[in-house]
Amino acid sequence: ETGVTQSPTHLIKTRGQQVTLRCSSQSGHNTVSWYQQALGQGPQFIFQYYREEENGRGNFPPRFSGLQFPNYSSELNVNALELDDSALYLCASSLDSSGGGEQYFGPGTRLTVT
Amino acid sequence: AQTVTQSQPEMSVQEAETVTLSCTYDTSESDYYLFWYKQPPSRQMILVIRQEAYKQQNATENRFSVNFQKAAKSFSLKISDSQLGDAAMYFCAYRRVSGYSTLTFGKGTMLLVSP
Repeated sequence: ETGVTQSPTHLIKTRGQQVTLRCSSQSGHNTVSWYQQALGQGPQFIFQYYREEENGRGNFPPRFSGLQFPNYSSELNVNALELDDSALYLCASSLDSSGGGEQYFGPGTRLTVT
Repeated sequence: AQTVTQSQPEMSVQEAETVTLSCTYDTSESDYYLFWYKQPPSRQMILVIRQEAYKQQNATENRFSVNFQKAAKSFSLKISDSQLGDAAMYFCAYRRVSGYSTLTFGKGTMLLVSP
C-alpha cells in the first residue's frame, strides 16, 4: 500500500505565472483535501474533492482551482500567482468525505513566488 | 466558525521528562473530533492522537495522552518519557462530524527536546 505522494517537491515561480501541483491519494481513498501552510502557521483548508466533485471550499479566491481524476489523484492550480502564495501546499487523502476517517497527508510541495 | 488556539509558540523538555502542550478551541457544535498532529522537519504531517468529543475517556497512545475538558473547550497533549525523536512542530486540529471532513488547525507549538 503506497502512501500519499505529491509532486514536485519544490517549485519556484514568478509573480503572475500559473502553477499546477499534483497529489496521488492513498490506495482506496476517494477524497482529497488541499491545505496551504504559510511559514510559521498552521495549515489552512483550500478545498476538498470527493469522487471528482468539489464538495467543500475554504476562504480562498477563485484563482485557486482543482481537479480530481477517476483514479482519485488530484491537481491544485493557482493562476496569477502573488507573493503571498508562497507556502507549503499539503494534500491529504481519506476514505470518505465525512465521518471519523483519518486524513493521511503527503510530504507537501514548497512553492516560492518571486 | 470554529477556531483553534495554541498559546505556546515553543516548549522545551529534557529527554525522559514529561511535557504538556496546550490547546483551546471554540465551536458551537456538540459533537466533533480533536486531533494532535506532529510535523517534523521532513514536513510530513503525522497523526499522533485523536479524541471523539462524545467520549468522556481521555485518549492514550503509548507515551502520548490527552486531557480533554469539553466544558472548558480545552484539549492538551501530554508526552511522557520524551525522546529526541519527539522534537517537531505539534498542531492541534478540530474536525466537525457533520458535512465534509475538513481540519481546522492551530498555529502550532514547536517542541524542542534536549539530551
